[in-house]
Amino acid sequence: KQEVTQIPAALSVPEGENLVLNCSFTDSAIYNLQWFRQDPGKGLTSLLLIQSSQREQTSGRLNASLDKSSGRSTLYIAASQPGDSATYLCALRGGGSNYKLTFGKGTLLTVNP
Amino acid sequence: DAGVTQSPTHLIKTRGQQVTLRCSPKSGHDTVSWYQQALGQGPQFIFQYYEEEERQRGNFPDRFSGHQFPNYSSELNVNALLLGDSALYLCASSLEGRLGIVNTEAFFGQGTRLTVV
Repeated sequence: KQEVTQIPAALSVPEGENLVLNCSFTDSAIYNLQWFRQDPGKGLTSLLLIQSSQREQTSGRLNASLDKSSGRSTLYIAASQPGDSATYLCALRGGGSNYKLTFGKGTLLTVNP
Repeated sequence: DAGVTQSPTHLIKTRGQQVTLRCSPKSGHDTVSWYQQALGQGPQFIFQYYEEEERQRGNFPDRFSGHQFPNYSSELNVNALLLGDSALYLCASSLEGRLGIVNTEAFFGQGTRLTVV
């Protein structure tokens, strides 16, 4: 059974700081990994998708990496802004006929002006 | 291009009642998945519909059922509501059906907040 852990559970940083969010998983037989952002009481916004064969993906100030051998992914946010404040969730899609996304509990990020 | 849309946005029901939630997938997507998210938790997979059939199911009781229509839209039905069913229900869509599809990025709707009293 896939288990996903996100550390830290909460993070508070001053505006402009670079930061890293961590995601670890127990089963390396994955199809892909997605990072999402969730604002309070809202749905999920897809940030980055990394295929199983890829090592990283970049979108603007965001960079996500994937290391299946160690069961880890990181989301790097450069030059953080108050608008980046949200909960960040990682989710893994299983391989083969396992189509579901398995989520971590998320990291609550607060960027202070 | 409309993304994933869900209705209603909020709902209050009494214990024991039945509820139906609706989801329209992103244009061009053929697969719909439903998730339940309790406060402070990550979303939990309920089931996935593809070609109008339930393709995979999570660890949820039979009180949770669904349907997918020929236009790929979907419904989630919950019978005999319990207080513990209070949660944010999320619908996600993706494109799965074509041969050679590699990018199965999931897109989520804004969710339906269900409160059972």
